[in-house]
Amino acid sequence: DAGVIQSPRHEVTEMGQEVTLRCKPISGHDYLFWYRQTMMRGLELLIYFNNNVPIDDSGMPEDRFSAKMPNASFSTLKIQPSEPRDSAVYFCASRPLGQGAGELFFGEGSRLTVL
Amino acid sequence: DAKTTQPTSMDCAEGRAANLPCNHSTISGNEYVYWYRQIHSQGPQYIIHGLKNNETNEMASLIITEDRKSSTLILPHATLRDTAVYYCIVIYNDYKLSFGAGTTVTVRA
Repeated sequence: DAGVIQSPRHEVTEMGQEVTLRCKPISGHDYLFWYRQTMMRGLELLIYFNNNVPIDDSGMPEDRFSAKMPNASFSTLKIQPSEPRDSAVYFCASRPLGQGAGELFFGEGSRLTVL
Repeated sequence: DAKTTQPTSMDCAEGRAANLPCNHSTISGNEYVYWYRQIHSQGPQYIIHGLKNNETNEMASLIITEDRKSSTLILPHATLRDTAVYYCIVIYNDYKLSFGAGTTVTVRA
């Protein structure tokens, strides 16, 4: 089975530009999570969805960040406008209903560099 | 979530068992212990989890003390590919995994 698929793997952009990161969860998984990883702050949960509905977005740093899940097989994380401090690796993860609460399947991440 | 404490780093010889400790002295009775690892430039990977009993799967064994205040992840025969950051996480029925700094494990030939 294909795992969680993220794109792009690497993104370099200029400050002020819009960035869209994409995630395809594992088929049949009901939960989707977006994490951000930096050297300073480690891995942080930004937002998670259950059945395409955002459940907890308390980790989203500010209004410049938004996430959507229009259907069960696709989610986006958008940053507009981007700033250099948004540079990080962004991970998407999913898990099925009934799985242990902490057993997530992570993608390979999208490394974002904002100049 | 209960807080966990792990050593910052440790070395292990290839082929030997690696024993990774984790302290979680404030763990509640219904909180689970989860272990993940993150190999360089990859996403975190689930290893194992447990509540009270010791657990074993194809990747590792998890030993939880009787008072549940600490646990040990055992990699029975460490290989160079086991070099990674290992995270010990304690949660209840909460999807908000909080990853700490973890233990950087280096397996040496």
